[in-house]
Amino acid sequence: GNSVTQMEGPVTLSEEAFLTINCTYTATGYPSLFWYVQYPGEGLQLLLKATKADDKGSNKGFEATYRKETTSFHLEKGSVQVSDSAVYFCALKGDKLIFGTGTRLQVFP
Amino acid sequence: DTEVTQTPKHLVMGMTNKKSLKCEQHMGHRAMYWYKQKAKKPPELMFVYSYEKLSINESVPSRFSPECPNSSLLNLHLHALQPEDSALYLCASSQVDSRGTEAFFGQGTRLTVV
Repeated sequence: GNSVTQMEGPVTLSEEAFLTINCTYTATGYPSLFWYVQYPGEGLQLLLKATKADDKGSNKGFEATYRKETTSFHLEKGSVQVSDSAVYFCALKGDKLIFGTGTRLQVFP
Repeated sequence: DTEVTQTPKHLVMGMTNKKSLKCEQHMGHRAMYWYKQKAKKPPELMFVYSYEKLSINESVPSRFSPECPNSSLLNLHLHALQPEDSALYLCASSQVDSRGTEAFFGQGTRLTVV
């Protein structure tokens, strides 16, 4: 079946540091890939998406590229802010939307 | 309007109570979902409705009973829950297609069973 694997957290960074959160997937067919963000006590917000190989999703300075050859969809941001502190979920949508385990990001001033 | 609205935001119920969670969207989405999220875990799919009909039930215990009365509303009826059912319950909606469109999530109902 389909599955998503994310790097273990927490990821702890200083403000303005470069961020990478790794995500790899296993899927049959041609799924769409998503990054969602969850702030404390809230629901999930879509951060970005990519629907086919080599697509790059981007939003609010975050980027991720759908790499079919490496089955990856790593999240990157060039300069993180304290306000980016949250839990980030990589997700895959085939016949269902399924999530990775989530990676907590903590950014300190 | 890209909002999914869930009520109530918080709910405390006893193991003998009956309660309902409500979810509403006005984006014209014909797929609606219930997810359960335990602390420090990812959301787990419970139910999917497509065109107001139940299309996926992820082997959820019968003490959880979903209902989709129309294309904008989704309910989750709760009866005889256990303390381990305490969690954040998330509703989501999307267009109906095989894979391409994103799901929009509500803020969730935080349920505590005592």
